[in-house]
This record gives sequence, C-alpha cells and structure tokens, in this order.
Amino acid sequence: GAVVSQHPSRVICKSGTSVKIECRSLDFQATTMFWYRQFPKQSLMLMATSNEGSKATYEQGVEKDKFLINHASLTLSTLTVTSAHPEDSSFYICSATRVRGYGYTFGSGTRLTVV
Amino acid sequence: TQLLEQSPQFLSIQEGENLTVYCNSSSVFSSLQWYRQEPGEGPVLLVTVVTGGEVKKLKRLTFQFGDARKDSSLHITAAQPGDTGLYLCAGAEGRGSEKLVFGKGTKLTVNP
Repeated sequence: GAVVSQHPSRVICKSGTSVKIECRSLDFQATTMFWYRQFPKQSLMLMATSNEGSKATYEQGVEKDKFLINHASLTLSTLTVTSAHPEDSSFYICSATRVRGYGYTFGSGTRLTVV
Repeated sequence: TQLLEQSPQFLSIQEGENLTVYCNSSSVFSSLQWYRQEPGEGPVLLVTVVTGGEVKKLKRLTFQFGDARKDSSLHITAAQPGDTGLYLCAGAEGRGSEKLVFGKGTKLTVNP
C-alpha cells in the first residue's frame, strides 16, 4: 500500500511556457502533500506544502506565483511551473504520508528540462 | 528551522566491508526516517524510528535512534554492490507539523 504516482516522469519544454506536474496518492487519501526540488548530487529541498482545499504553504525563497500548487482533492496535487526558464530545470519530487510523521511515500520524480 | 548534519557525504568501499552513516542535530525530532534513492527515482523509505534508543534491523541494515532523539545512525554489515545508492536521513519536526528535514545525503558506492 501507500503508492504515490507522479507524472510525467520527464518533460522538456521551451522557455516561457508552463508545465504541470501531477502527484496522485493511489490507495490512500492525503490531506497534505509535499513538493521538493533536487539538484544533481544534492539532497531534497522542500518547496512547499500542499494542503487539500486551501492554499499551499511555501518555503522561504520559493516564488508562489512561479510555482503554482493546487490540491483540489484528497488524492491529487499539481505543481505548475509557470513561465519556465532554464534555471528551473531540475528534478521535482512529491510525497505524501498515510500516517502523519511516520513514513512518507515519494513519487518517482519528474525531470524537467527547459530549453 | 531544524537542521540535520549527515556524514560522510561520500563513501566508497569494497564488497564485504561494514560501514556506518551518521545523522546529527541539535534539535529533537518526533521521528527520524531513512530513505534510499536511486538515480532518477524518488526516495524509498527504509525505516522510521520513533522512540529514543530504538534499534531496528532490516536484514544487513541496522538503524538506531539516539536516546535524546537528536541523532541516528545507519550501519550496513557486509556491504554488497546492490547497496550502492544515495542514503538520506530525514527528521519529522513534529509539533503539529508534517514537514520533513532532510540531511544532505550519503552517496555510497560498493565496489565488487
């Protein structure tokens, strides 16, 4: 159990366009999901906490107007990278937990390349 | 913001050797988790430790949570090439927060 599906796994987009990444909890409901960004050979950096039915909570330094998060249901959160730039190229990962603070299930990640 | 210092950052050993990875903090965590991540994939949960002093074993992996719940260690016995990967520790802040604080990771390479 506790499967999190993330799509797409890879995406290449042109500068200035927007890209949407989906994160779904397949066999459990998640009132809270998390979005991370990971640079090569580095650890995960929390970008924001996605809250079902309310606004996301962004970490310091993360532009909320650039990284739009929508958590419209208990099983789906989306991250939209708007007006993408090459520096937005990164590995984006979502996570959710069935039991608060106990163990998190991560999606398989999305490799975004902005050209 | 709570911080987790993870060491070593890189570790390259021969098959059959033992190793220990450490995670230390000056802060108390409600729980601490260890993950393993393969290139191009999301982290996969190995274990969660909750109680101070707790020890959990997963085959050749032994995880320990410090008595004060500020630090943790991962010990691998007789490492195998299949153990190669990025190991991440993560602490749950608790106090009503579900946020995880990640260490910087340990890139382990086990050479045959």
